[in-house]
Amino acid sequence: GENVEQHPSTLSVQEGDSAVIKCTYSDSASNYFPWYKQELGKRPQLIIDIRSNVGEKKDQRIAVTLNKTAKHFSLHITETQPEDSAVYFCAASIHNNNDMRFGAGTRLTVKP
Amino acid sequence: DTAVSQTPKYLVTQMGNDKSIKCEQNLGHDTMYWYKQDSKKFLKIMFSYNNKELIINETVPNRFSPKSPDKAHLNLHINSLELGDSAVYFCASSQEGGAGDYGYTFGSGTRLTVV
Repeated sequence: GENVEQHPSTLSVQEGDSAVIKCTYSDSASNYFPWYKQELGKRPQLIIDIRSNVGEKKDQRIAVTLNKTAKHFSLHITETQPEDSAVYFCAASIHNNNDMRFGAGTRLTVKP
Repeated sequence: DTAVSQTPKYLVTQMGNDKSIKCEQNLGHDTMYWYKQDSKKFLKIMFSYNNKELIINETVPNRFSPKSPDKAHLNLHINSLELGDSAVYFCASSQEGGAGDYGYTFGSGTRLTVV
């Protein structure tokens, strides 16, 4: 089955700096890679996703990159703000497969 | 209206008891899931149901029994609760085609504490 690894487990940045979270996956058949943000005491919420037919996707201050050859993908947050502080999860799954595997999460802290 | 709703939000119970958590989604999704999030925040899949049929059953103790009366509901019943069952349990759903098309919508979670 799919195995997703995520690094770092914790990340602390100064407000305005960039943050990068990296994930690797094991199943080369995986072709859908979402990122979820979970604020303290709340549910995980989808913030951005990427499919294997593209290498990069951007939405305002967040972007994801995908390297299928190396089987890794990354989340980039620019101009971080205190409200970006949360736990971020990467995940991987196969199209039409109801089995999504999550990384272990990264606790991001943005210091004002 | 809440898309994926779970009840109760908090559940405190003694070891050995039997308890149920309910989940309902009003999104018209075909697939529903239960995930367990432990104290280290790791999200681990437990079960997946598609149109009331079980399609994923991870290595979960058989004290856990999911039930899906229809595709909008997926309940989780836990027998003989143990201390290690303490966690936050998240229900989720996804559209036709599975998580690979549109990702998940999560419920707000049920924090289970076994004492």
